[in-house]
Amino acid sequence: DQQVKQNSPSLSVQEGRISILNCDYTNSMFDYFLWYKKYPAEGPTFLISISSIKDKNEDGRFTVFLNKSAKHLSLHIVPSQPGDSAVYFCAASQSGNTPLVFGKGTRLSVIA
Amino acid sequence: DAGITQSPRYKITETGRQVTLMCHQTWSHSYMFWYRQDLGHGLRLIYYSAAADITDKGEVPDGYVVSRSKTENFPLTLESATRSQTSVYFCASTGEVVTGELFFGEGSRLTVL
Repeated sequence: DQQVKQNSPSLSVQEGRISILNCDYTNSMFDYFLWYKKYPAEGPTFLISISSIKDKNEDGRFTVFLNKSAKHLSLHIVPSQPGDSAVYFCAASQSGNTPLVFGKGTRLSVIA
Repeated sequence: DAGITQSPRYKITETGRQVTLMCHQTWSHSYMFWYRQDLGHGLRLIYYSAAADITDKGEVPDGYVVSRSKTENFPLTLESATRSQTSVYFCASTGEVVTGELFFGEGSRLTVL
């Protein structure tokens, strides 16, 4: 039973445009959400997070939106750059209780 | 600034052999984790540890053994490797809170023939 779902295995976007990566979750107890970015042959690195008490968190070109009623979050990258090409993992947790649960990842390709 | 290091980076072994993947972190983080990454499955938690001598199973612990005698080390052992354990293994650590930002190692690619 997959608790964190990234239904798009891949996404291709032109440089300069917006990239939108989606993530759905099933566990209503999750209250903390993170996005990780992974380049080939490297470990994932933390990108941005959001607590369930917020519906938006912004960090430079990256914004995460949380819709608790729909159990959905999305990562927006504006403008997209070729260096953003990577696999993006969505992760969720119940604070102070369990380790992070990751989705399967979405491979983003930003085309110059 | 070593951070978190894994060894070996690449390993080829045969079915039935014992393999140990090492993980070492220099931040004195309390929590350490082992994940495996497989196509179509993303990152799945194998085992984690909240402190020295405290370990817990994750989503896919079968066939793996861990120990944590020192805070900085968290080795993962495959006692009798199987082909289904061919994967990329990532070690990670974090500070006090289980749900804090994880810091990952570069990964260990294991092939079981």
